[in-house]
Amino acid sequence: GENVEQHPSTLSVQEGDSAVIKCTYSDSASNYFPWYKQELGKGPQLIIDIRSNVGEKKDQRIAVTLNKTAKHFSLHITETQPEDSAVYFCAASGNTGGNEKLTFGTGTRLTIIP
Amino acid sequence: DAGVIQSPRHEVTEMGQEVTLRCKPISGHDYLFWYRQTMMRGLELLIYFNNNVPIDDSGMPEDRFSAKMPNASFSTLKIQPSEPRDSAVYFCASGRRLDNEQFFGPGTRLTVL
Repeated sequence: GENVEQHPSTLSVQEGDSAVIKCTYSDSASNYFPWYKQELGKGPQLIIDIRSNVGEKKDQRIAVTLNKTAKHFSLHITETQPEDSAVYFCAASGNTGGNEKLTFGTGTRLTIIP
Repeated sequence: DAGVIQSPRHEVTEMGQEVTLRCKPISGHDYLFWYRQTMMRGLELLIYFNNNVPIDDSGMPEDRFSAKMPNASFSTLKIQPSEPRDSAVYFCASGRRLDNEQFFGPGTRLTVL
């Protein structure tokens, strides 16, 4: 089955600086890569996703890049703000046309230092 | 829409007791997922349903765990008998076939003493 590794496990960044979280996956058939943000006491929430036919996607301060050859993808947050502090999870799925199962990484606890 | 609704939000029980967790998915969603989150194992998929039918239960840890979805608006996850190692946060999520986003509920924090 799919295996997703995520690094780093914790990350502290000065407010205004950028944060980068990296993930690798094992199954070359995976073609859907979402990122979820989990705030304390809440369930994960999708913040951005990318499919295998795209190399990069951006949404305001958040961007995701995908390298299918190397089987890794990254989350980039620019101009970080205190509200970006949370746990971030990457995931991978071999989407075959439906809403299929996701394999999650182990999470990155991001702390923004004011 | 109120989002995915889970109950109870917190459950404390003693070892050996039966525990039932409940989930109401978002109306119109035809996929429902049950996850377990622990510090040691992270976020694990236990089972998921499509149109109320279980599709993949390979993540269910053992026979003590069972899940049902009697209709499109309700699902249960049952643990019988419960053990201390079952202590975790259990999430329910729902989604639609036409896209991949999964909407998570607020979770049920289960503590088995």
